[in-house]
Amino acid sequence: AQSVTQPDIHITVSEGASLELRCNYSYGATPYLFWYVQSPGQGLQLLLKYFSGDTLVQGIKGFEAEFKRSQSSFNLRKPSVHWSDAAEYFCAVGGGYQKVTFGTGTKLQVIP
Amino acid sequence: GAVVSQHPSRVICKSGTSVKIECRSLDFQATTMFWYRQFPKQSLMLMATSNEGSKATYEQGVEKDKFLINHASLTLSTLTVTSAHPEDSSFYICSAEQGAEAFFGQGTRLTVV
Repeated sequence: AQSVTQPDIHITVSEGASLELRCNYSYGATPYLFWYVQSPGQGLQLLLKYFSGDTLVQGIKGFEAEFKRSQSSFNLRKPSVHWSDAAEYFCAVGGGYQKVTFGTGTKLQVIP
Repeated sequence: GAVVSQHPSRVICKSGTSVKIECRSLDFQATTMFWYRQFPKQSLMLMATSNEGSKATYEQGVEKDKFLINHASLTLSTLTVTSAHPEDSSFYICSAEQGAEAFFGQGTRLTVV
């Protein structure tokens, strides 16, 4: 069965600092991988996705993620965090007409 | 990207009543839609897979008689919470897939009083 682990429940970073959110997955085949962001009381917004090809994917809002098959990881990064990035981030695996399984989320707090 | 519209965004209802939530794919056809529930400070849990023209497939532990799903057209799926109780209060989100990518609605905050 597919699963996603986000080991960090809560992360606090200073504005302007770099960010890395961890995601590990378990999937039987080549996975489709996603990162979503959710602001309080809102739906999900897709930040980026990996289906195939280049393992470093660029997304919106300056985010990027790197797919590492050997580590079963798909970590999200941003070189310089802005206060508006404070939100909850979900890593997900699946898609392609299969159900999407979400991680438990990482709540990002940005301090001035 | 594709757009999925979910309505209403917020609803408050009395205990014992039923509430219908709509999920529409605005610019594409979706033979399959998914319904998720998100408990406070938790991740999204898949409730059911809605299939156009056939019965929904429910995840283990989800009461199909309580959460009625209808997918009558290629652009509309509805979730009806029947005889709602306070424990049904939650954030419900739908998604529809175009190709390999899922597009999510903005969610519905249901509060049962």
